[in-house]
Amino acid sequence: ETGVTQTPRHLVMGMTNKKSLKCEQHLGHNAMYWYKQSAKKPLELMFVYNFKEQTENNSVPSRFSPECPNSSHLFLHLHTLQPEDSALYLCASSLLQGGPYNEQFFGPGTRLTVL
Amino acid sequence: KNEVEQSPQNLTAQEGEFITINCSYSVGISALHWLQQHPGGGIVSLFMLSSGKKKHGRLIATINIQEKHSSLHITASHPRDSAVYICAVGSDTDKLIFGTGTRLQVFP
Repeated sequence: ETGVTQTPRHLVMGMTNKKSLKCEQHLGHNAMYWYKQSAKKPLELMFVYNFKEQTENNSVPSRFSPECPNSSHLFLHLHTLQPEDSALYLCASSLLQGGPYNEQFFGPGTRLTVL
Repeated sequence: KNEVEQSPQNLTAQEGEFITINCSYSVGISALHWLQQHPGGGIVSLFMLSSGKKKHGRLIATINIQEKHSSLHITASHPRDSAVYICAVGSDTDKLIFGTGTRLQVFP
């Protein structure tokens, strides 16, 4: 399998549930990103990992908890979410973090609905 | 006001029409990216440019650094071009700043 994959593609959860989103990249990249995309808003960067170390936490609420066990895998653990957290969550990777020329490769996203 | 503004927000066209999508930004940048997002959600990078013009098939991207403006053109548009087109700018920081996207629908 090539590129950036995300599972699940769709997720419906209640506010008291705990779930995890998974991202895997097969590109040999060292940086991985979580973005949130809400309707009619720009992509919002949530977290960045570079060589498995978290280098960016963009003031994300603690109900979102990222984990990066290695450079190929990235998780987003979810607990006690709110309905306003419903959005498309996109994972991306790049060879290295940083720089304006750094091309990011995106996964298909997980469409999350919080009831 | 977002640092990256796109226009129009929505665009409909008949197959074969020439399409232009605009992106204006208010920050100093080193590179500008055009991305395509299909209804399934996945995002694909179309162009990365820092000056002049780039062409790939029926797609052409231009940038004017002095005017802080870029355009994405689609010639001989086709229904499969229907997607959301997103402009993003990169500066010397590690982050990309994204526009809200332009939703394009091309009808046969």
